[in-house]
Amino acid sequence: EIVLTQSPGTLSLSPGERATLSCRASQSVSSNYLAWYQQKPGQAPRLLIYGASSRTPDFPDRFSGSGSGTDFTLTISRLEPEDFAVYYCQQYGSSPYTFGQGTTLEIK
Amino acid sequence: QVQLQESGPGLVKPSQTLSLTCTVSGGSISTSNYYWSWIRQHPGKGLEWIGYIYYVGSTYYNPSLKSRVTISVDTSKNQFSLKLSSVTAADTAVYYCARVPRKYDLLTGYSANYFDNWGQGTLVTVSS
Repeated sequence: EIVLTQSPGTLSLSPGERATLSCRASQSVSSNYLAWYQQKPGQAPRLLIYGASSRTPDFPDRFSGSGSGTDFTLTISRLEPEDFAVYYCQQYGSSPYTFGQGTTLEIK
Repeated sequence: QVQLQESGPGLVKPSQTLSLTCTVSGGSISTSNYYWSWIRQHPGKGLEWIGYIYYVGSTYYNPSLKSRVTISVDTSKNQFSLKLSSVTAADTAVYYCARVPRKYDLLTGYSANYFDNWGQGTLVTVSS
């Protein structure tokens, strides 16, 4: 089973700042089958990034994903108030499909 | 726009079987393009993939839950269901159903992609 470790656990930033979230895998994620999700309180997660770097149309281009192998990054270039949420990474390269424990992005 | 909606009892007694149904609207469950999955989230915790099903009935389960999980599909009702047996307090969680695009790899054949469309989730509490 691939274990995904996200860091930091909590990130405190102000609107307008840049956010960098990390997801590290215990073994290489095949074909960069790595997704990111955004979850707000009381809501289901929403797919944000797939294939490590492909952004879904629901999200603006201030969100970007990068990385390969075992190290992946989600970057939010300029934080807007609606971006403060919990972000999860997930690998779908091998079963069982696993999620990271999440990074909480909170307003400073 | 495809929508998914979970339904089922919010309270289950220990040792009993948890049963949930996901109703898919706005599109057919009988499509070759998708699997249909269950995922759960323990209170205040992360996400755990439970398993998924293809509309013809093929199933794939998380080994950690495989001995207790059954996922089935009813194409006539455009629904798929989850049964989790012998539940304990550790099974208290929000249960989500989700749609999963299928992907094809020359080496491994068909398998699941990311979860691209989620239901709103339903909280199931295991308690006597």
